[in-house]
Amino acid sequence: DTGVSQNPRHKITKRGQNVTFRCDPISEHNRLYWYRQTLGQGPEFLTYFQNEAQLEKSRLLSDRFSAERPKGSFSTLEIQRTEQGDSAMYLCASSFYPKQFFGPGTRLTVL
Amino acid sequence: AQTVTQSQPEMSVQEAETVTLSCTYDTSESNYYLFWYKQPPSRQMILVIRQEAYKQQNATENRFSVNFQKAAKSFSLKISDSQLGDTAMYFCAFMKRAGRDSNYQLIWGAGTKLIIKP
Repeated sequence: DTGVSQNPRHKITKRGQNVTFRCDPISEHNRLYWYRQTLGQGPEFLTYFQNEAQLEKSRLLSDRFSAERPKGSFSTLEIQRTEQGDSAMYLCASSFYPKQFFGPGTRLTVL
Repeated sequence: AQTVTQSQPEMSVQEAETVTLSCTYDTSESNYYLFWYKQPPSRQMILVIRQEAYKQQNATENRFSVNFQKAAKSFSLKISDSQLGDTAMYFCAFMKRAGRDSNYQLIWGAGTKLIIKP
């Protein structure tokens, strides 16, 4: 399978816990985006990587959020001290300009 | 800042009918891309069609076509001969044509839920 994969697909956690999501992009793509999608809304940009460098972060990405892309391959998005407002679908997109190819997303529910 | 507006929260049509989804956007950019993405229930976002703003010809992909009106900043999607598998959320999205070394994030509308009835 040469598509974008994300794990886990679903995550239920209690408020205050830390969670980490993983995205495996298409191997030849050097650009990777993270978006967040809340119910009934379109996705919103969180951050992006060019190879291993994180080049821009949205105001939506509070200090509790951190993303990495070691060696320019897979990426992880960690949320510390989760809050109920963090409940959303987290989408990863692998990109070769100007196309963006999306993974299935990780649905986070914070209880 | 760019904004994308989809004014139809939900639409439903009978199978085999033609349906048009509306999208308007606001930008001061002259070069950009516009996209329609499809998100089936519990499935991933799929690119349906792409339009480059500098091209006057409307994009077409099989049963999917767009009506791009640059001056009016309008970008509607027409689905002909609709099929049950077309049932999904449809999102309109904008991308600045800023070059491959810039942040070319997508700016999204809120989506239209399309239901195809048998």
